[in-house]
Amino acid sequence: GQSLEQPSEVTAVEGAIVQINCTYQTSGFYGLSWYQQHDGGAPTFLSYNALDGLEETGRFSSFLSRSDSYGYLLLQELQMKDSASYFCAVREAPGSARQLTFGSGTQLTVLP
Amino acid sequence: DGGITQSPKYLFRKEGQNVTLSCEQNLNHDAMYWYRQDPGQGLRLIYYSQIVNDFQKGDIAEGYSVSREKKESFPLTVTSAQKNPTAFYLCASTDRDGPYEQYFGPGTRLTVT
Repeated sequence: GQSLEQPSEVTAVEGAIVQINCTYQTSGFYGLSWYQQHDGGAPTFLSYNALDGLEETGRFSSFLSRSDSYGYLLLQELQMKDSASYFCAVREAPGSARQLTFGSGTQLTVLP
Repeated sequence: DGGITQSPKYLFRKEGQNVTLSCEQNLNHDAMYWYRQDPGQGLRLIYYSQIVNDFQKGDIAEGYSVSREKKESFPLTVTSAQKNPTAFYLCASTDRDGPYEQYFGPGTRLTVT
């Protein structure tokens, strides 16, 4: 079956850098996505990696190593508004309507 | 503005009653999804639909039913057979042939007592 592992909680201070790891074990793999969800809100898309390497989008970067079944989300210059849950999600295969299997999420708390 | 709407935001029902959650999108997306989220947990797939008049069970379909009569609409019925219906329900959509991003509605928080 599918399984995605990520830490349940991470705490950091404003202005710092934090890395949220995700390891996956899936029958198929086409890419790794990251979503952000504030309390009571809808998940919003942050990034997607289909190939090995680093993708950068502003303060957020995402990394993938397919050979290690591992990825991470890197958040730089942390701000209070970054306090949220972060989910990694695996896309199982191209053309698959199911598309995404989600991890259990990492609750990030940013302290002043 | 394009997006996904879910209504209502909060819903309260008595045990033994069926309840239908609304999901509408104007993004012209082919595929739509229903997820359930419990406190401190990830999203679990209930049902999904690739095209009108077709839908497939996800990982936790028991006690739920859906319909897809229109491209824009994908309502979810939580039946009395669902043992623990109290949860946060999220609807999402995506281009069936698109790469990867799912767009989510604001969610409905259902409480059954």
